[in-house]
Amino acid sequence: GESVGLHLPTLSVQEGDNSIINCAYSNSASDYFIWYKQESGKGPQFIIDIRSNMDKRQGQRVTVLLNKTVKHLSLQIAATQPGDSAVYFCAERRGKLIFGQGTELSVKP
Amino acid sequence: EAQVTQNPRYLITVTGKKLTVTCSQNMNHEYMSWYRQDPGLGLRQIYYSMNVEVTDKGDVPEGYKVSRKEKRNFPLILESPSPNQTSLYFCASSLSAGSSKNIQYFGAGTRLSVL
Repeated sequence: GESVGLHLPTLSVQEGDNSIINCAYSNSASDYFIWYKQESGKGPQFIIDIRSNMDKRQGQRVTVLLNKTVKHLSLQIAATQPGDSAVYFCAERRGKLIFGQGTELSVKP
Repeated sequence: EAQVTQNPRYLITVTGKKLTVTCSQNMNHEYMSWYRQDPGLGLRQIYYSMNVEVTDKGDVPEGYKVSRKEKRNFPLILESPSPNQTSLYFCASSLSAGSSKNIQYFGAGTRLSVL
């Protein structure tokens, strides 16, 4: 029969609110992490990265937090805008990049 | 403009008819890679190339071939496509796999349907 794909986790926020998207990674040996944004019909686009020797990195409206103790990565988007609506996924590097499945962010005007 | 260009963007074909998806980057990147993206499975690496004439299998290489005769081009070849290769394909490139940063830049994607 036809297989049905899993639904992505979704996050719905009001325009102007802050968004927090979480990612659990699997390997404590991973030394580098990236967040990507994928809009409908487009390829993944780099947002921000962080090395394992850091616990926080800020960009324009985005902040990535790394908690190595619990192997957790988060992406915070300040003042979320409709243009932020997309699927966001993290990638960890252990030799090569391993991609997570993503979270779908929906911004309500 | 720095970019990764894939062609075609959309392709419908029939089982067994050989096809090639082209990928070209203009950033002088050493590392290039092909992924397929399927619902519930995320991005899975098919093949990658560390440099010219160096290619290696990724996680799901069966049914695919690649070549890297020039630095800028990394075509993906399906010699005998089958319906289970219906997917969304992405080409990506990065400066080098071993650099301290490994930001991969992605093409816009090729949506392939094999009937």
